[in-house]
Amino acid sequence: DAKTTQPPSMDCAEGRAANLPCNHSTISGNEYVYWYRQIHSQGPQYIIHGLKNNETNEMASLIITEDRKSSTLILPHATLRDTAVYYCIVRVEKAAGNKLTFGGGTRVLVKP
Amino acid sequence: NAGVMQNPRHLVRRRGQEARLRCSPMKGHSHVYWYRQLPEEGLKFMVYLQKENIIDESGMPKERFSAEFPKEGPSILRIQQVVRGDSAAYFCASSPKSSGANVLTFGAGSRLTVL
Repeated sequence: DAKTTQPPSMDCAEGRAANLPCNHSTISGNEYVYWYRQIHSQGPQYIIHGLKNNETNEMASLIITEDRKSSTLILPHATLRDTAVYYCIVRVEKAAGNKLTFGGGTRVLVKP
Repeated sequence: NAGVMQNPRHLVRRRGQEARLRCSPMKGHSHVYWYRQLPEEGLKFMVYLQKENIIDESGMPKERFSAEFPKEGPSILRIQQVVRGDSAAYFCASSPKSSGANVLTFGAGSRLTVL
């Protein structure tokens, strides 16, 4: 699976959009980009995923560049409860399973 | 529609005892994954199971750790002769199938403390 690079931490203001970058320059054509988050001491929570096109759901938007070498997770209106570690994961489809490999993630602190 | 259920949520064991952690996947999910998170560290994959089969145990320690997912009942992660270094949060996740853009749903975790 392709390696991802994320900033270790970032702050954002409550009510503002939070833009979380992720580099995955070695991504291959059949690899999806997934975003999960882990709020302190809780289990990881799925946010969104995509292959080529931009995606949006009730939690966030995912913007994938045309060359697919990077992506941005957008939390449109960050709240204090969005404080968490956010993980960008690139995963290839495998017949043997779809385990996710978590890196260091970005520790996001939403400030009032 | 219950999510992934893990129990116990907290477990305290003395060195040398056995720990058994249970995971009931979401309804309709037949694939289970176990992850470990040491204090102040990231999530590390341990093992992936389907009903009655271990598919990938590349992250399991070679000794003292075992996992099963029987035909009936929850998946069990078993740690024999626990040591202080086993103190961690153990997370279980499940998914409905093995390939494609599937999403893993995680449980709330079981926190093991070894005295």
